[in-house]
Amino acid sequence: DTAVSQTPKYLVTQMGNDKSIKCEQNLGHDTMYWYKQDSKKFLKIMFSYNNKELIINETVPNRFSPKSPDKAHLNLHINSLELGDSAVYFCASSQDPPNGGQETQYFGPGTRLLVL
Amino acid sequence: KNQVEQSPQSLIILEGKNCTLQCNYTVSPFSNLRWYKQDTGRGPVSLTIMTFSENTKSNGRYTATLDADTKQSSLHITASQLSDSASYICVARSGSSASKIIFGSGTRLSIRP
Repeated sequence: DTAVSQTPKYLVTQMGNDKSIKCEQNLGHDTMYWYKQDSKKFLKIMFSYNNKELIINETVPNRFSPKSPDKAHLNLHINSLELGDSAVYFCASSQDPPNGGQETQYFGPGTRLLVL
Repeated sequence: KNQVEQSPQSLIILEGKNCTLQCNYTVSPFSNLRWYKQDTGRGPVSLTIMTFSENTKSNGRYTATLDADTKQSSLHITASQLSDSASYICVARSGSSASKIIFGSGTRLSIRP
């Protein structure tokens, strides 16, 4: 079964709306991440989170917020959506504690967000 | 500025041929470098990881090299198969913090029968 899953797979919405993307991992990992992949295919980390620490990329607008109801889930909430938020958003997870930065991240299939 | 540059941007080769993808990185301090394969419509999957002390790492028909002096890495694919068609992304990491993971834009590889 899928190790890291995301819903929805596609999301089309109007500017100004608030939306959420859900992520679940069944690998028993302690750390989860959100990435944004833009039209030029660059992947940029937005957040990494475990039960001890939330690390936020300082370039991420505060309209984006991660919410973790439990260790297996990390949802991404986006307020007041803008055109520039259109992208593919990937969730990932890895085993904690980090192995000196060598832990392998397992990615979900992505959520394609289109803001009209 | 930490960055990762990949070349070529795209590549088309015939099935069965070999190819080499390039990656230049400027990440300091350097922790490790990883190559990912991203199939269309899917998330990236890790192929290899190398630290500064390793200069080659293989995973089946994929062989990655690392030159920490010139800050260059390559991914060599041997006897290509149609299933190798994907984007290959080079990722350099600075330290253990997740905020220091720098992705390249990838090389789009197409294998033709």
